Amino acid sequence: NAGVTQTPKFQVLKTGQSMTLQCAQDMNHNSMYWYRQDPGMGLRLIYYSASEGTTDKGEVPNGYNVSRLNKREFSLRLESAAPSQTSVYFCASTEAQGNEKLFFGSGTQLSVL
Amino acid sequence: QKEVEQDPGPLSVPEGAIVSLNCTYSNSAFQYFMWYRQYSRKGPELLMYTYSSGNKEDGRFTAQVDKSSKYISLFIRDSQPSDSATYLCAMRFTNAGKSTFGDGTTLTVKP
Repeated sequence: NAGVTQTPKFQVLKTGQSMTLQCAQDMNHNSMYWYRQDPGMGLRLIYYSASEGTTDKGEVPNGYNVSRLNKREFSLRLESAAPSQTSVYFCASTEAQGNEKLFFGSGTQLSVL
Repeated sequence: QKEVEQDPGPLSVPEGAIVSLNCTYSNSAFQYFMWYRQYSRKGPELLMYTYSSGNKEDGRFTAQVDKSSKYISLFIRDSQPSDSATYLCAMRFTNAGKSTFGDGTTLTVKP
């Protein structure tokens, strides 16, 4: 059982480049989330999808877009990367909105030069 | 002011010590309280959760919630080197899908 799988694990971008972070879960979960984690700042929610077909902004959505491709997959896109987006990105899923148990992927470490 | 404040650490203790990790919060509407453990270069994993006030015990771990003081704690008894990790508190409103996280406390247990 793979759980939540994120790709890539590491990425280096130049300012202005674009990229998509991929996330897939095999637990038949309805809700999926994207967080970023910066040193000393904990986890901050970027976007979430309560169920297939819906997406909503979190605490720090600027500079990002998301797509809930199907029930399994939730991607995060950076259209024009900036150094301020250097961070570790985590995808998470849970059975349903309102369920307290989040399952996290192992993260994508992104550096924007 | 952040909604959730966590003791920043880092914390270093000898093996066998009792560890206390703490968070305070400002929004009295929080109902679900969680503790996540995050090993280096890994995603967080849920360790404990409690609903409303009270204590919950699981082996060497005890989660405590005091809603009147807006204060939650995680106690680790007989700490082990394998407990070395960053601990994140998190909390949610009832029926909301979003958790608000503390900044984390890094714990090192020395053999």
